[in-house]
Amino acid sequence: GEDVEQSLFLSVREGDSSVINCTYTDSSSTYLYWYKQEPGAGLQLLTYIFSNMDMKQDQRLTVLLNKKDKHLSLRIADTQTGDSAIYFCAESRADKLIFGTGTRLQVFP
Amino acid sequence: NAGVTQTPKFQVLKTGQSMTLQCAQDMNHNSMYWYRQDPGMGLRLIYYSASEGTTDKGEVPNGYNVSRLNKREFSLRLESAAPSQTSVYFCASSGLAGGTGELFFGEGSRLTVL
Repeated sequence: GEDVEQSLFLSVREGDSSVINCTYTDSSSTYLYWYKQEPGAGLQLLTYIFSNMDMKQDQRLTVLLNKKDKHLSLRIADTQTGDSAIYFCAESRADKLIFGTGTRLQVFP
Repeated sequence: NAGVTQTPKFQVLKTGQSMTLQCAQDMNHNSMYWYRQDPGMGLRLIYYSASEGTTDKGEVPNGYNVSRLNKREFSLRLESAAPSQTSVYFCASSGLAGGTGELFFGEGSRLTVL
């Protein structure tokens, strides 16, 4: 995507927390999103945050938004092997979504 | 309720051949999109259609054409395929008025150009 940046890989031990980071570019984005892609499948929305929020929690997921630094993060508590996937952040720009490069999360026992 | 359906799921082409990827959605969404996914590049927007009758270029439109046939269907055409177009192609739709802008994706079409 156009300058929506993520690190490519993250490896964590089962039961630990995972933190996936994203830097976006458009300060006027209304929503910011996290999508999950499992092997051989399309993307599915995991969670999103409205731009006037700093934090959103949804069960094991916590999204933090720092608008000043244009930084978005996704924390997964008690990471499980089923969380192994590629995670994409995305920002809304006008009538389209721009995605980051994706972070491949690998969870090992 | 099928959501977003793409065909074909797999295709192998020779350089210079043409083909069309088909996409249909049954959610009455206004907007439809074509992305390509390449390793280390994430998803890049090829073309999109904000509403029936309109299409616009995305980040990487060169070598592609699109048609918004009706509200349900949005096709992507490769007129003369090149090896650089080997990729996984995803169609998506959105369009709930006042909604969050969530995209719903198809399962992808894996294209190899030899």
